[in-house]
Amino acid sequence: GEDVEQSLFLSVREGDSSVINCTYTDSSSTYLYWYKQEPGAGLQLLTYIFSNMDMKQDQRLTVLLNKKDKHLSLRIADTQTGDSAIYFCAESRSDKIIFGKGTRLHILP
Amino acid sequence: EAQVTQNPRYLITVTGKKLTVTCSQNMNHEYMSWYRQDPGLGLRQIYYSMNVEVTDKGDVPEGYKVSRKEKRNFPLILESPSPNQTSLYFCASSFDTAISTDTQYFGPGTRLTVL
Repeated sequence: GEDVEQSLFLSVREGDSSVINCTYTDSSSTYLYWYKQEPGAGLQLLTYIFSNMDMKQDQRLTVLLNKKDKHLSLRIADTQTGDSAIYFCAESRSDKIIFGKGTRLHILP
Repeated sequence: EAQVTQNPRYLITVTGKKLTVTCSQNMNHEYMSWYRQDPGLGLRQIYYSMNVEVTDKGDVPEGYKVSRKEKRNFPLILESPSPNQTSLYFCASSFDTAISTDTQYFGPGTRLTVL
């Protein structure tokens, strides 16, 4: 298909790790991105990974890329209430960025 | 402060009444883009512009127009709005093209309701 796919909802207990998964379609995508959208706000670039990398870590965030399966994941360690948001996976395709539908992360107390 | 501004933030209008949503960035960015966000559909690109006087259709351009007469401004024009254009609209900009690692800055959004 043409879409970037991700599950729509994820619930995680505060303090646990959150793992948000995404599959993309274009094997020639140069960059893959994770954006965060907090309630009532625009999108904010969280992190990105270049297509020749397998993993990227940035503080509590770990991005894993499996090019063979076209699978991207975002792991948030020690999930906090401030992590409650919608997370968008996106891939670069020609001159565009194609977004997934977003995963709403809900934090349980 | 580096930012993308959009106006208005909220707009309720009626079918057929032309409207313009303005977008302005103060970062001297070359690339600007408009997206609409709908429940269950995520973000879809409407139009984008690689530079002044250069605009291209995104995935859902029908019913919209844009212009890029100056680098900082990228207005979105709805000549004859219809209810299916009720949505949340985001403007975004980045220094280079969308495929670079440069951060794409998003505006705060414009919530449009067409009755």
